Amino acid sequence: GDSVTQMEGPVTLSEEAFLTINCTYTATGYPSLFWYVQYPGEGLQLLLKATKADDKGSNKGFEATYRKETTSFHLEKGSVQVSDSAVYFCALSVSSGSARQLTFGSGTQLTVLP
Amino acid sequence: GAGVSQSPSNKVTEKGKDVELRCDPISGHTALYWYRQSLGQGLEFLIYFQGNSAPDKSGLPSDRFSAERTGGSVSTLTIQRTQQEDSAVYLCASSSPLSSAGELFFGEGSRLTVL
Repeated sequence: GDSVTQMEGPVTLSEEAFLTINCTYTATGYPSLFWYVQYPGEGLQLLLKATKADDKGSNKGFEATYRKETTSFHLEKGSVQVSDSAVYFCALSVSSGSARQLTFGSGTQLTVLP
Repeated sequence: GAGVSQSPSNKVTEKGKDVELRCDPISGHTALYWYRQSLGQGLEFLIYFQGNSAPDKSGLPSDRFSAERTGGSVSTLTIQRTQQEDSAVYLCASSSPLSSAGELFFGEGSRLTVL
């Protein structure tokens, strides 16, 4: 079945450090890939997405590139801020059909220290 | 409201009691989802409603779990005879036909603790 494996947390960085959160996936067909973020006390929200191989999603300084050859969608940011402290979820969707096909990873807790 | 609203935000109950969790989706969103988030786990799909179609209940973990959506809007997730393993955060999400694929709008969740 479809699955998403994320880098285990928690991750603690100093402000302005470089961030990478690894995400790999297993899927039948051609998935779309997503990163969701959950800030403290808030619901999950879509951060960025990519729908086909070699696409790069970007938002709020975060980027992730859909790598079909390595089945990966690693999240990166060049200079993190304290306000980036949150839980990050990698997810995939094989089609635009059933919600069951939106499969999430276990989440990675990021803490950025001033 | 502007976002997905869930209530209660926290619920503590005793083993064996029934609980109801409510979700009010974004106005105009035809799709509604329930997920469960256990400590250290990813989001586990429970059930999906789309318009007037029959719901996809394939993620419900047992027959103690049920959900309904009245009038195509508010949804209630009911857990009967709660067990300690039901303790988790229950997340509701909605989406619009106009949303891009995979874009769900989540509520803040209802944290259930079964003693």
